[in-house]
Amino acid sequence: DQQVKQNSPSLSVQEGRISILNCDYTNSMFDYFLWYKKYPAEGPTFLISISSIKDKNEDGRFTVFLNKSAKHLSLHIVPSQPGDSAVYFCAATGGTTDSWGKLQFGAGTQVVVTP
Amino acid sequence: NAGVMQNPRHLVRRRGQEARLRCSPVKGHSHVYWYRQLPEEGLKFMVYLQKENIIDESGMPKERFSAEFPKEGPSILRIQQVVRGDSAAYFCASSPGLGGYTFGSGTRLTVV
Repeated sequence: DQQVKQNSPSLSVQEGRISILNCDYTNSMFDYFLWYKKYPAEGPTFLISISSIKDKNEDGRFTVFLNKSAKHLSLHIVPSQPGDSAVYFCAATGGTTDSWGKLQFGAGTQVVVTP
Repeated sequence: NAGVMQNPRHLVRRRGQEARLRCSPVKGHSHVYWYRQLPEEGLKFMVYLQKENIIDESGMPKERFSAEFPKEGPSILRIQQVVRGDSAAYFCASSPGLGGYTFGSGTRLTVV
């Protein structure tokens, strides 16, 4: 039961251009969404998050957009840099208090930034 | 302020042996989570613990797997009688409460 889906396994983007990563979810109880970046042989690193009471959150080059009616969120990275080449995971949580901390992850999108 | 420390980084076990994975959370964090990542897949939740309590173990297989987070010391994920399908990267995360998750670098378990 995959409640968080990242349908694009990979994305190639030119340095300096915008990277747009998409994520869909099925559970309407989710109320907090996060994006993580992961390099090989390392743990996920938190990038940016958004609460369901907002539709946009921006932090430097990273902006996350949330469309609750469509159960869709996206991460924009602009401008893309070579160091952004990594796997990006979308994650969601919410629902009951005891399981609030349990993150549901998407399968990830491999981003490659080319010169 | 050290991050989440996991050890060992790599663990090789023969089928039938036991694997013990350790996780020391960020100082002051009382919530610990274990996730498993199979090759080419995302992270899958296994278990959520607070000090001396298992809060949610809905993602953990019913047999052979157990987890603890004692009052003192690291959290331990224990896999008994390992099989080849247990080969994966196991990640631990900690948080002070709601949000603020920090992940460790993971333990890569290989069962031969």
